Amino acid sequence: QKEVEQDPGPLSVPEGAIVSLNCTYSNSAFQYFMWYRQYSRKGPELLMYTYSSGNKEDGRFTAQVDKSSKYISLFIRDSQPSDSATYLCAMIGGSNYKLTFGKGTLLTVNP
Amino acid sequence: SQTIHQWPATLVQPVGSPLSLECTVEGTSNPNLYWYRQAAGRGLQLLFYSVGIGQISSEVPQNLSASRPQDRQFILSSKKLLLSDSGFYLCAWSGGVGSVTDTQYFGPGTRLTVL
Repeated sequence: QKEVEQDPGPLSVPEGAIVSLNCTYSNSAFQYFMWYRQYSRKGPELLMYTYSSGNKEDGRFTAQVDKSSKYISLFIRDSQPSDSATYLCAMIGGSNYKLTFGKGTLLTVNP
Repeated sequence: SQTIHQWPATLVQPVGSPLSLECTVEGTSNPNLYWYRQAAGRGLQLLFYSVGIGQISSEVPQNLSASRPQDRQFILSSKKLLLSDSGFYLCAWSGGVGSVTDTQYFGPGTRLTVL
């Protein structure tokens, strides 16, 4: 079983839709959870960071963590064409310095 | 604020030629530095990790090496490139002053094509 599983998509939605992106993980030591957004041919940029179960909101973005189910989500409300990118989940915990990444989900928001 | 630079942005090199990619971080001190390679469909692969000057940890045995001659400078090198070295190379930093614990911040990347 891979440490982090993420559906690669591609996911295509109309402008204004609510988007749900998900990752599951197997390592109980993971404590910090991040979402990165990566535009084509660019480096990933940090979008959301959270370390506790529950929801964290930032504008149109909400990060959700359920440690009991080992499941994290990123919700995008009122999606825009500019949200079209690959979204990577990442997590870290315990004594391991390494971030463990999902493989990313390619999202396209159609105008 | 902190910024991270990588150069060159793109590079086309023949097989067997040497390689040097450079990464520098501004606006922080004593960061942890990382080199990743990203290949299509394979996600981000951690290549090297450094916690300080001259301290390099290799994650994947391969044709590449890394060096950290200064606190905020990280260099990825190869003596002889292979076709399989093609990919998108990303430098990242974490820790240091002004950062969120363990969060990594990425540079713009270098796209390397080996022909």
